[in-house]
Amino acid sequence: DAGVIQSPRHEVTEMGQEVTLRCKPISGHDYLFWYRQTMMRGLELLIYFNNNVPIDDSGMPEDRFSAKMPNASFSTLKIQPSEPRDSAVYFCASRGLAADTQYFGPGTRLTVL
Amino acid sequence: KQEVTQIPAALSVPEGENLVLNCSFTDSAIYNLQWFRQDPGKGLTSLLLIQSSQREQTSGRLNASLDKSSGRSTLYIAASQPGDSATYLCAVTMEYGNKLVFGAGTILRVKS
Repeated sequence: DAGVIQSPRHEVTEMGQEVTLRCKPISGHDYLFWYRQTMMRGLELLIYFNNNVPIDDSGMPEDRFSAKMPNASFSTLKIQPSEPRDSAVYFCASRGLAADTQYFGPGTRLTVL
Repeated sequence: KQEVTQIPAALSVPEGENLVLNCSFTDSAIYNLQWFRQDPGKGLTSLLLIQSSQREQTSGRLNASLDKSSGRSTLYIAASQPGDSATYLCAVTMEYGNKLVFGAGTILRVKS
């Protein structure tokens, strides 16, 4: 299995631009999670989906952030408009229904200038 | 609100030394606790998972303990190697497999 796949691995953009991060979970996994990691706040859960349905988005910082999961093999996290304080590493993770462990992707390092 | 604290923030040891990383959490109503390893530029890899009803788990040179009532966990690494150099993260799960709350991590450097 290829594991969780994220793209792009690095993204540099200017303030005000729209940013879209992509994630392909492990095939067969029912849960998908988006996390953000910063030096100041560490790793934080932003949102998670079960069977493509958003279950808890209480960690999404602002309305500028949105996430979708149109099918079982693809999810996006969009920031519009982006701000310098959004600079962070964004991780996607997935979990099977019967498993306790989440499997993390390599992350997308976002820099907003 | 659950808070997870890891001590020390950084640790540098010579190769071969045994070491202990500490994790504490404020809310004992956890589902499980996990220790992850994070290498630079890479994602997280789960090392050990301890269910709330368990006291410890072992994998090779790693041993993790859990004292749920006191809100503490330790990760013991025996005979450390340079390849163990990484950031180690402790995380508690607040509901079945889902809402992970992470500590800030311990940056470990093992010198050869």
